[in-house]
Amino acid sequence: DTGVSQDPRHKITKRGQNVTFRCDPISEHNRLYWYRQTLGQGPEFLTYFQNEAQLEKSRLLSDRFSAERPKGSFSTLEIQRTEQGDSAMYLCASSSQGTAYEQYFGPGTRLTVT
Amino acid sequence: AQRVTQPEKLLSVFKGAPVELKCNYSYSGSPELFWYVQYSRQRLQLLLRHISRESIKGFTADLNKGETSFHLKKPFAQEEDSAMYYCALRGRQGAQKLVFGQGTRLTINP
Repeated sequence: DTGVSQDPRHKITKRGQNVTFRCDPISEHNRLYWYRQTLGQGPEFLTYFQNEAQLEKSRLLSDRFSAERPKGSFSTLEIQRTEQGDSAMYLCASSSQGTAYEQYFGPGTRLTVT
Repeated sequence: AQRVTQPEKLLSVFKGAPVELKCNYSYSGSPELFWYVQYSRQRLQLLLRHISRESIKGFTADLNKGETSFHLKKPFAQEEDSAMYYCALRGRQGAQKLVFGQGTRLTINP
């Protein structure tokens, strides 16, 4: 499968724990995005990378959230001191420079904070 | 502020009937509008964008700047059209993020 992959697909954690998610974009795509989707809502933008540079962050991305893309390939999203309100589907997407309008989404990581 | 509103959370029509999924947006400049679709157990994927002005799987959408709308239409619904549909907006030039509506779940009844 040459699409966007995310790991893990599901994560259950206790409140206060830290979690980290990984996203592997389509190999030739230099742009990578993170979105969060809660039940009954559309995806909400969290952050965007072009190569290794984090160029845009949403106000939704509190100081407990951090994202990296160290070598311009895969990306990680870490949530520290998780709260029940962090329970959501975390989606990763990627796009190429030439067709930036089309974002290819991964299957998502479903986080449940108990 | 950028906002996308899809007033219908659920829409159910019979096979062969026309379909219209509503989308209204709020944006002061010239946005790019998209429709994304998520079929059961599949990933979110691009269906169409207003710039291309093409028909995909029989669906079309016209950007109406006066009414700030981008409704998705299909003249004859098919069962395989059952899915979750999201309208999305990309705002200022150079911005990369998509702003999504809440989504409409379309069910086509046989």
